This record gives sequence, C-alpha cells and structure tokens, in this order.
Amino acid sequence: DVKVTQSSRYLVKRTGEKVFLECVQDMDHENMFWYRQDPGLGLRLIYFSYDVKMKEKGDIPEGYSVSREKKERFSLILESASTNQTSMYLCASTLTSGQETQYFGPGTRLLVL
Amino acid sequence: DQQVKQNSPSLSVQEGRISILNCDYTNSMFDYFLWYKKYPAEGPTFLISISSIKDKNEDGRFTVFLNKSAKHLSLHIVPSQPGDSAVYFCAAGSSGSARQLTFGSGTQLTVLP
Repeated sequence: DVKVTQSSRYLVKRTGEKVFLECVQDMDHENMFWYRQDPGLGLRLIYFSYDVKMKEKGDIPEGYSVSREKKERFSLILESASTNQTSMYLCASTLTSGQETQYFGPGTRLLVL
Repeated sequence: DQQVKQNSPSLSVQEGRISILNCDYTNSMFDYFLWYKKYPAEGPTFLISISSIKDKNEDGRFTVFLNKSAKHLSLHIVPSQPGDSAVYFCAAGSSGSARQLTFGSGTQLTVLP
C-alpha cells in the first residue's frame, strides 16, 4: 500500500513567519506534488518535482518554494506567510509518466493569522 | 481558465438511488481521466479512472462514462449509500506531457438515508 505522510495535520502561524510543510512517501515514486485546496476552487497545483533536486512550477507558485533533497521527501516552504495562504495543503506522489494515479497524503490545514 | 469544470457544487440523492456527477473539460490533449473522493480532513483517494480509448469503465457500484466528442465525463454510483457522502473531484491528465493532473472544483455529494 502506498503511504504518503505529511508532517502536520493542523498548523497555526503568524503573518511573516517562515513555514515548512513536509511530505514523505514510502513507495519510491519519482514524482511528487504540492496542491492547495480552497472551497469552490478545487485542487490547484503549486509545485511538482519529477526527480531529486528537480522542481517545476505549477499553476500558483507565487509565494512558495520547494525542496527535494531526497527522493522520498518533498518540502513546501512559505518564505513569509500571508493570510491569503490560509488553506488546506495536499501532497501527492506518483510513479513515472503514463496514466498513473496520484496518491495523496492526509493534508495539512494551515491557518495564518 | 478552468480546463476541467464541475458545474454542480452540490448534489443530494436518496439512499439506494443513482448518483450522477458530471465533469466537462476543454483541453483536447487530455487522454486520461480520474475521479477522486474526499472526506473532510482527509486527502483525496482514488476512485476510478478511464483512458480516452474507452468510453466506459466499471468498478462495482461505480461507473465512469466518457464522451470525447462532447468533452464530457460522468460518474455513476448505483446504488448510492450514505457512506458515499463526500466531495468528488474530477481530474484529467495528458500522457504526453508532464505528470500533473488538472482538477475540477469538486461536487459535494450527500446521500440521504
């Protein structure tokens, strides 16, 4: 069974703080993704990575950066959190290209005050 | 520019009846489609998928239909059960490009006992 874990389920931060969200997968997947989910907007892709140290921007990368130093770990970084980054953050992973389904972690609900 | 649209934000169905969730897409490059189910405070879980070479895929109570000419797919759940109450996301991908999926905004299904 694929397992994708995220470091926190709930997080409360102050405006301007640096925030790290960690994601780990245990299935040796090449590809990892960070999404945010907001009501009425569905899941929007922030960044993804198809290999160690590789990253590509998704649809809404502004205000975020990522890090992938090891294959199993993909980190999302909010350099200076803002209130409009309050959201549910979801990490996913999948094997190489092809019609592969993505497996999601449980999500981190972030509140920025 | 939403490439994947779920125009019904919510749907209520009586237990035992059929639930039909709809999804439209605009990008002709999409060649596989997935449905995910999401409970509150959990990550989305994969439900069923369909390749563009098919027009129907069935898995137990769940059937996905694809109409390529209309760029429309639907998910049928028969019979609906209270445990099916969740948000359902439609997603589309293109095998020829990067591995990311494009998600719709979701439909909240409520199955009434």
